[in-house]
Amino acid sequence: KNEVEQSPQNLTAQEGEFITINCSYSVGISALHWLQQHPGGGIVSLFMLSSGKKKHGRLIATINIQEKHSSLHITASHPRDSAVYICAVRSGSNYKLTFGKGTLLTVNP
Amino acid sequence: ETGVTQTPRHLVMGMTNKKSLKCEQHLGHNAMYWYKQSAKKPLELMFVYSLEERVENNSVPSRFSPECPNSSHLFLHLHTLQPEDSALYLCASSQGYSENEQYFGPGTRLTVT
Repeated sequence: KNEVEQSPQNLTAQEGEFITINCSYSVGISALHWLQQHPGGGIVSLFMLSSGKKKHGRLIATINIQEKHSSLHITASHPRDSAVYICAVRSGSNYKLTFGKGTLLTVNP
Repeated sequence: ETGVTQTPRHLVMGMTNKKSLKCEQHLGHNAMYWYKQSAKKPLELMFVYSLEERVENNSVPSRFSPECPNSSHLFLHLHTLQPEDSALYLCASSQGYSENEQYFGPGTRLTVT
């Protein structure tokens, strides 16, 4: 069973700051997902990656397969980035995702 | 808007009530999922349907009963729930149930009194 650990659990930042959220997992994976959950519940997929780095706007996701570690970076953070960020991993070619507990990010103006 | 809708968004029910949660996806996907999200816990997979057949029943109590009449609709029928069943119930869909990205609905916030 894959264990997924996220850090930090809570993060407060000032608008404009560079944010990093970390995710570590214990077993080899086929893909890692970063998800965003706003207050109210809905979850949006930000990235799905299996190697290297992906960028979308101010968001950057990286993964190091050897170290079993991924990071989500937010540049020039904004109060609208305030949300819970969830890391999830998939092992093998099946539908099961193992989720981390999430990181609550609050960006103050 | 992810193309997955859920109704109702909020539900309060007593332990003796029977209610149903509904999920509809407008993405042409053929796999649908129910997840439970309790406070301070990771998402838990409850059920998976692929091509309208159940492929996963993740040790969920029988007071939760899923139904998938077609590839666009998924229901979760609830009866004689317990207060500890209060949670956010999320529906998701994907194209195939192997490696593809899952798209989530907004969730139903359920409170059992």
